[in-house]
Amino acid sequence: EPEVTQTPSHQVTQMGQEVILRCVPISNHLYFYWYRQILGQKVEFLVSFYNNEISEKSEIFDDQFSVERPDGSNFTLKIRSTKLEDSAMYFCASGGQGSGNTIYFGEGSWLTVV
Amino acid sequence: QKEVEQDPGPLSVPEGAIVSLNCTYSNSAFQYFMWYRQYSRKGPELLMYTYSSGNKEDGRFTAQVDKSSKYISLFIRDSQPSDSATYLCAMSGVPNNNNDMRFGAGTRLTVKP
Repeated sequence: EPEVTQTPSHQVTQMGQEVILRCVPISNHLYFYWYRQILGQKVEFLVSFYNNEISEKSEIFDDQFSVERPDGSNFTLKIRSTKLEDSAMYFCASGGQGSGNTIYFGEGSWLTVV
Repeated sequence: QKEVEQDPGPLSVPEGAIVSLNCTYSNSAFQYFMWYRQYSRKGPELLMYTYSSGNKEDGRFTAQVDKSSKYISLFIRDSQPSDSATYLCAMSGVPNNNNDMRFGAGTRLTVKP
C-alpha cells in the first residue's frame, strides 16, 4: 500500500541550528502538507503546497520556516535558527486530486531542540 | 468556544465493549468529517471519511454525522486491545483546502484484555 515516508524519524539539534525534514509523498498525489504536534497537544496545520507553490500557511509558519519540492519526489521542511519551542513531532501529509479532504500522514519526524 | 471540541479522555473499556467517541463543532461550514487513529509516536492514520450528514460503516467502525446538531461520532464494535490508540476527529469545509481542516484534541482509548 502506498505510504508517505519521512526522514529522519528523530533528530536532536542545538538551539539556533537549521534543520531540514524530508518527506516522500505518495507518488500520484498533488497536494502536500506539513503539520506539527507538540507533545500532548493537538495536530496543528503549518502549510499546504500545490503546483510547486505554497497554497496556504498558518500563523505558525513564519519566516523561520520554508518548504521546497526540489525534485519530483521529495518535499522538505526547513526550520532556520531553531528554538526550544520548535520541539515537536512534524508530520508530512499528501492528498490526491479529487480525494476531497482525505489526506495521508507519514510516521512523523520527532524534533528535539536542546 | 473552540471550533472543535473533543473529550481527551482517557477512556478505558474492556475487550468486546462498544466504544463511542464524539466531537462537537461550531463552524456550520464544515462538510467533510474524518476520523484518524494515532498510535503513540506515530502519524495519524485515516480511519473514516464522511461527507455531510449520515452514517458510514466499515467493518467494526461506524461514523455518524449530525450536521443539525454539529455532532459527529465514531462507534467501535467488539473493541480489541489493538484498538488502543488516540482517536482524532477532523473536519473541513472546502475540498482540498486543508488550511481550514481542524483537528480535535484526540481521545485516548485503552481496551483492556
